[in-house]
Amino acid sequence: DTGVSQDPRHKITKRGQNVTFRCDPISEHNRLYWYRQTLGQGPEFLTYFQNEAQLEKSRLLSDRFSAERPKGSFSTLEIQRTEQGDSAMYLCASSLGSGPQHFGDGTRLSIL
Amino acid sequence: GQQVMQIPQYQHVQEGEDFTTYCNSSTTLSNIQWYKQRPGGHPVFLIQLVKSGEVKKQKRLTFQFGEAKKNSSLHITATQTTDVGTYFCAGGYRGSTLGRLYFGRGTQLTVWP
Repeated sequence: DTGVSQDPRHKITKRGQNVTFRCDPISEHNRLYWYRQTLGQGPEFLTYFQNEAQLEKSRLLSDRFSAERPKGSFSTLEIQRTEQGDSAMYLCASSLGSGPQHFGDGTRLSIL
Repeated sequence: GQQVMQIPQYQHVQEGEDFTTYCNSSTTLSNIQWYKQRPGGHPVFLIQLVKSGEVKKQKRLTFQFGEAKKNSSLHITATQTTDVGTYFCAGGYRGSTLGRLYFGRGTQLTVWP
């Protein structure tokens, strides 16, 4: 069990640029979640996959955000035309069924 | 709506004192999970409660799920400096996407030696 890994750990970009993050879940986990966390807040749900199917996307997520999990293994989260308000920690978690969610260390995004 | 409220937001205790954090939902939960996040770290799963009135213990930690499945608490007896961190409850709702969790805002625990 190598845990959930996320890449990169930190991303600094200028407003208006596109960014992509990667998440590698625990290998036998079929569910994968993306969350966003800002200082002093709990993780906020963004989207969720079961295998390769994206089952739910938060209404808070604008059309600038897109996520994929093409082969039911790793996942990518892309943010297009980044804005200041996108600055946050982006967390990925995986689980086997509805069991405990295992989180990665996150990608911290800073928008200049 | 589906929202989990958690209080207090901050708690400062002296080592050896007890600590409790509370979660509440206006609608019935299907399950509640508790996570701990150390400063600079990521949330780490502690426990899941599913049954009405359920009580689970892990050493000095006691977790309760209310009879109506709308509230939960985490109690730590005789806190230690290693207990420092933010404790989150996260609720799941029947009818919502299976596995989707709604996190509370968390209670940040500081323990003075």
